[in-house]
This record gives sequence, structure tokens and C-alpha cells, in this order.
Amino acid sequence: EAGVAQSPRYKIIEKRQSVAFWCNPISGHATLYWYQQILGQGPKLLIQFQNNGVVDDSQLPKDRFSAERLKGVDSTLKIQPAKLEDSAVYLCASSREGLTGGTFGSGTRLTVV
Amino acid sequence: GENVEQHPSTLSVQEGDSAVIKCTYSDSASNYFPWYKQELGKRPQLIIDIRSNVGEKKDQRIAVTLNKTAKHFSLHITETQPEDSAVYFCAASPAGNTPLVFGKGTRLSVIA
Repeated sequence: EAGVAQSPRYKIIEKRQSVAFWCNPISGHATLYWYQQILGQGPKLLIQFQNNGVVDDSQLPKDRFSAERLKGVDSTLKIQPAKLEDSAVYLCASSREGLTGGTFGSGTRLTVV
Repeated sequence: GENVEQHPSTLSVQEGDSAVIKCTYSDSASNYFPWYKQELGKRPQLIIDIRSNVGEKKDQRIAVTLNKTAKHFSLHITETQPEDSAVYFCAASPAGNTPLVFGKGTRLSVIA
């Protein structure tokens, strides 16, 4: 099966600019996660979707981050405006309903300067 | 919420020796414990996982043990090879379709 697709692979923006990331999960996977991985740390959950509904967004900085999964398949994560501390790799993962963990995409490395 | 502690943060072993990485968790409701390997610049990849109804699971040179009473679990890699060099993350998750809480990672270096 095809893996989790993410784009872009890399992004460099200035602080206060906006940026968006895209994720296409594995076909048939109802659950989609966005994680933030800061250099030297483990991934930290930002938001979890079940189909097109939000299950957990308790750690999403909602003043600047937003995410959607309108048709229960692809998802976008947006940051507006970006801060220097948002520099990280943004990982998308998906899993079948009822299973934990998931398969990760290659991530988007964001650098905010 | 769940909190996962991982030790050591770095580990160097000679090729052929064994490596052990340990994690503790705080939420007694957690019942799924995967281990991920992440090579530089690449995605985390699941290498082994264990659920709380078993105490040990083995897959070739990799094994995971779980002690639910003490709330800790460990990754054991035997006969290490240079290609085992990577960052390893443990994680924990409660029952159901809930997200993982990761440890901070262990950078393993296998010296040839």
C-alpha cells in the first residue's frame, strides 16, 4: 500500500508569515494525526481526526494553528502567523480505526527565520 | 495525562554487543507501547510494539518487555550492527484509538 504523503518536504519562511502543510493518509485509514517534532525531541501531538471530525486538539495552539480534514481524507495544517519557535518537523500519521500508533509520513521541515 | 520518561538519552555500544533502552509511563490506563526507530532526516518507523496483555515480545534481534505493575517497558537489541544506529523512541497510549505520547528519544550509536 502507498504510504502517507506529505508536502512540501521543506519550507523556509520569515516570522509572522503564514504557511500550510498537506497530508494524504493511507487509503482507508480513518484516523489522522498531526505531530510536531522539535529537534532533539519526540513527536508531540497537535491534533487527531477521526474521519472529518476532531477527536483531540487540546495541544494545538489555536491562536495561530488550524487544521482541517473536510472530506475525511486529505488534511491541511496551517500556521498564521509563524513564530521562531514553530521551527520543527511536522509529521502526519494515519491509522485504521481502532488501532493506535499509525504510520508516519516523511514530514515537512519548517524553518522560521 | 500520560507522561513517558526515556533513558538513556544517548547510548554507545560496540558492534555485536546488546543495547537496552528503558521507559516509564505514568498513566495506568495505557495499554499499548510501541517503539519507533528514526534515522537522520527520515520518518519514525515502527519496529516493535507490545500490548498490556503480554509481558514480552520478540522479533529476531529485537525484544520488548513490559512490567505493568512498575509501569515500565524496555527495548532490547541483541547482536547490534552499525545499521542499528539511529534515534529510538518509546511511546504509550491508553485503550482505543488515542494518540501516542512519546519519550524524548535515545540516540544509539553502534561502533564498528
